[in-house]
Amino acid sequence: DVKVTQSSRYLVKRTGEKVFLECVQDMDHENMFWYRQDPGLGLRLIYFSYDVKMKEKGDIPEGYSVSREKKERFSLILESASTNQTSMYLCASSSPQGRSSAFFGQGTRLTVV
Amino acid sequence: DQQVKQNSPSLSVQEGRISILNCDYTNSMFDYFLWYKKYPAEGPTFLISISSIKDKNEDGRFTVFLNKSAKHLSLHIVPSQPGDSAVYFCAASYTGNQFYFGTGTSLTVIP
Repeated sequence: DVKVTQSSRYLVKRTGEKVFLECVQDMDHENMFWYRQDPGLGLRLIYFSYDVKMKEKGDIPEGYSVSREKKERFSLILESASTNQTSMYLCASSSPQGRSSAFFGQGTRLTVV
Repeated sequence: DQQVKQNSPSLSVQEGRISILNCDYTNSMFDYFLWYKKYPAEGPTFLISISSIKDKNEDGRFTVFLNKSAKHLSLHIVPSQPGDSAVYFCAASYTGNQFYFGTGTSLTVIP
């Protein structure tokens, strides 16, 4: 069974902390994505990566950075967490070959206090 | 600018009836469309997709219709079941590398 695994289901962090969200996929997918989901705003793309060490900004990259040192792992970093980054964070992966869907992890509910 | 739009934030349907969820898009380059289902505190799960060379794709109780001239797609669920209550997102792609999501429609199926 294909899997995208996010390191935490729930996280509570303090304002100003540096936060790491980890994501691992076992499907050998080239593409990996970080989204955040907020009520009424749907899924908004933060960053995506189409290869190791490659990254592209999505729609809302401000306040975030990413790292992809290995094909299976894609990390989202909140450099200095703020309360407006309280959200559900979703990692996904996909293959660029043909027409395939994106597979999502279970999500991380991050609360910044 | 939102390239994929779901204009109905919520929908309520009686169990056994048809649920119709709608989605509009603006980018004529999109050639692959998907529907995802999401339960609270879980990640979205893939439901059904359609290529732009087709106008209909069916999988059990779920059918997706694509009207390219109107830049509109819809998801039909027949018959609707209480377990179908979830948020549904439509998504579109044209490069195979990036997906554009709508804002979601919360479906409630009333027993």
